[in-house]
Amino acid sequence: DQQVKQNSPSLSVQEGRISILNCDYTNSMFDYFLWYKKYPAEGPTFLISISSIKDKNEDGRFTVFLNKSAKHLSLHIVPSQPGDSAVYFCAASLKNAGGTSYGKLTFGQGTILTVHP
Amino acid sequence: DTGVSQNPRHKITKRGQNVTFRCDPISEHNRLYWYRQTLGQGPEFLTYFQNEAQLEKSRLLSDRFSAERPKGSFSTLEIQRTEQGDSAMYLCASSPQGGKVYGYTFGSGTRLTVV
Repeated sequence: DQQVKQNSPSLSVQEGRISILNCDYTNSMFDYFLWYKKYPAEGPTFLISISSIKDKNEDGRFTVFLNKSAKHLSLHIVPSQPGDSAVYFCAASLKNAGGTSYGKLTFGQGTILTVHP
Repeated sequence: DTGVSQNPRHKITKRGQNVTFRCDPISEHNRLYWYRQTLGQGPEFLTYFQNEAQLEKSRLLSDRFSAERPKGSFSTLEIQRTEQGDSAMYLCASSPQGGKVYGYTFGSGTRLTVV
C-alpha cells in the first residue's frame, strides 16, 4: 500500500524557469509533510516542510503548497538552477498517541529533476 | 560533530553470509532510525530507537534482521544469512526527542550488494 506517491519519475526544466514537483497521499492522518533532496552517494537532505494546518510554506526559492481536500502537495522551485538537479522525495509523518510527531517518515518513490543550463 | 556517520560505505557479500552495519548519530540526538532504499524507490522505514529502547519495527524487518543500540549512542544493524533481495542502500537517521521532523538528519548510507 503506497501511502505517498510521486507519479512523475522525472522532470526536466530549463534554468531560470519554474520546477513543479507533485506528491499525492492517501492517509488523512498524516500531520506533517516534508521534501527531501538527494544527490547520488549521499543521504537525503531536508529541504522544506509544511504542517497539515497550513496550506503554504515558503523558504527562499522553494515553496510547498498543501491541498488537504485533494490530498496533494507540490514543491515549486523558482528560479530553477542547475545545482537543483537531484532526486526529490516527498515524505509524510504521523502524530503518535501523545500528539507529538515521532518521526517515522513515509516516503514517495522520488522524482529526478534535471535543470538544463 | 559532523553529522550522522555510517560505516562501511559499501559492502559486497556472498549470499548466506552475515553482515553488520554501524551508525553513529549526532551526539545530542536520542532518536535513531534505520531505513532501506532500493533502486527507484524512496526510503522505507525499518525500525527506530529512543535512547536504547527499540520502539517500533516494520514488517519489512524479518527475523534475519536485528538492530541494537546498546548504550543509546551508536547503533548496529545485522543481517543474517543474506539474500540477493537484501541488496539495497541502508540509511540511518537521527533526531532530537520531541523535535520537529525537520530536525531529522540522514547519514550517507551503506550500500549492500549480495552476490
